[in-house]
Amino acid sequence: GAGVSQSPRYKVAKRGQDVALRCDPISGHVSLFWYQQALGQGPEFLTYFQNEAQLDKSGLPSDRFFAERPEGSVSTLKIQRTQQEDSAVYLCASSRGLFSGANVLTFGAGSRLTVL
Amino acid sequence: DQQVKQNSPSLSVQEGRISILNCDYTNSMFDYFLWYKKYPAEGPTFLISISSIKDKNEDGRFTVFLNKSAKHLSLHIVPSQPGDSAVYFCAASGQGSSNTGKLIFGQGTTLQVKP
Repeated sequence: GAGVSQSPRYKVAKRGQDVALRCDPISGHVSLFWYQQALGQGPEFLTYFQNEAQLDKSGLPSDRFFAERPEGSVSTLKIQRTQQEDSAVYLCASSRGLFSGANVLTFGAGSRLTVL
Repeated sequence: DQQVKQNSPSLSVQEGRISILNCDYTNSMFDYFLWYKKYPAEGPTFLISISSIKDKNEDGRFTVFLNKSAKHLSLHIVPSQPGDSAVYFCAASGQGSSNTGKLIFGQGTTLQVKP
C-alpha cells in the first residue's frame, strides 16, 4: 500500500480483556517497529521485526504483550489482560531496512487504546 | 534514563519569524538524528535528518544543526508558517553493533505559529 495502515483506529477495552492491534506496513518494507506513545510523551520502542524474525523485543513492558509477523508483512500486537496503564496510542512503523543513511521510519496513524 | 531529551514542552512564535527547537542526547554512539512532525490524530512524519559526521543539513525552510561536543542539536524553521504548528520530535538511531535501526525519541515540543 501507499502508507502504513493500522486498525482499529480506536479501541475501548474493559480491564482484563485481550486486544489485538493490526499493522499493514508499506509493501516490501523489511523492517517493522511497534511503539507505544503515552499522552504528552514521545513514542517508546516496543519491538522490532526484520521480515518475520522478531529481533528485538526489549521494549515490551510485560509478558502480557506479544507481537508477531508470521509471513513478514502484516503484524499484530496483542495485549492480554489489559490494564489501565496500557492506555496509549500504539504506533506501527516500517522501513526498507538498514542500507545507508538514516533509517527513516514511516509511521501509521496509530491505534488509540483506552482501558476502562 | 532518557537518552534523548527535549526540555521545552512548548514554543510560540509569530508567523514569518524563526522557530528554534532544541534537543539534547546522552549516547555518543548515535550516528543519525532525525526530526519528525506530528499533527493530532496522525502518525509522526519524517522531516529532516543529519548524520553524526555532519554539523548542518538544510532542506528548504528547515535546517538542522548538530553540536557533537555538546551533544545538542537544533531544528530551525525559517520563515515559520501557521501550517508548521504541530508537535516536533527529535529522534536518534545507531547504537554500535546492536544497531537495529530503531529510533529513540524525545518527549516532543509543541510549536504554535501565530498568524
